[in-house]
Amino acid sequence: EVQMVESGGGLVKPGGSLRLSCAASGFTFSNAWMNWVRQAPGKGLEWVGRIKSKPSGGTTDYAAPVKGRFTVSRDDSINTVYLQMNSLKTEDTAVYYCSTGGYFFDFWGQGTLVTVSS
Amino acid sequence: EIVLTQSPDFQSVTPKEKVTITCRASQSIGSDLHWYQQKPDQSPKLLIKYASQSFSGVPSRFSGSGSGTDFTLIINSLEAEDAATYYCHQSSSLPHTFGQGTKLEIK
Repeated sequence: EVQMVESGGGLVKPGGSLRLSCAASGFTFSNAWMNWVRQAPGKGLEWVGRIKSKPSGGTTDYAAPVKGRFTVSRDDSINTVYLQMNSLKTEDTAVYYCSTGGYFFDFWGQGTLVTVSS
Repeated sequence: EIVLTQSPDFQSVTPKEKVTITCRASQSIGSDLHWYQQKPDQSPKLLIKYASQSFSGVPSRFSGSGSGTDFTLIINSLEAEDAATYYCHQSSSLPHTFGQGTKLEIK
């Protein structure tokens, strides 16, 4: 059974940093492209960024609002993908989901809430 | 950036009714269009990939069609458990983008 569990969310002040983790199991993680998607309270889904599998180059791509502030990385030895968030803004407040897939997103975690507020 | 526009934003429907949700892309995306269902306080679930391919385990009452710029999600014989918000998503070009969502309420 595919499982993905996000952690690391919480309350942080504007300008602060936070690192989210997503621990995966039930599939061959090292071959998977991994994404982060967020959802602001009461709003729709917004793609944040992704990391390709190492066989596909291991490169990253980001949405414009987070480029230069957020970094996606992965540790295939422990089946975990990370989202390092720096220079956080109030508009980054959202539930952050990790998901698998390079084109369609077939499995999703339960999400972790990040609140950016003073 | 490719903009996806869904219609309607909200629909109140009765069980056993047929529901049609449309998604229009701001430029041609071939068949790189996917549909998700999100129930309250849950994460999204993939329903349809590449416009018309059902994802494993999805009930057969869900189907998709379209290509280019116009796409449709059809729910035949709606059930109470289908109360949710539905999103389309394009992967034709970066950044990935989603439609604004269509909320289905069951009367």
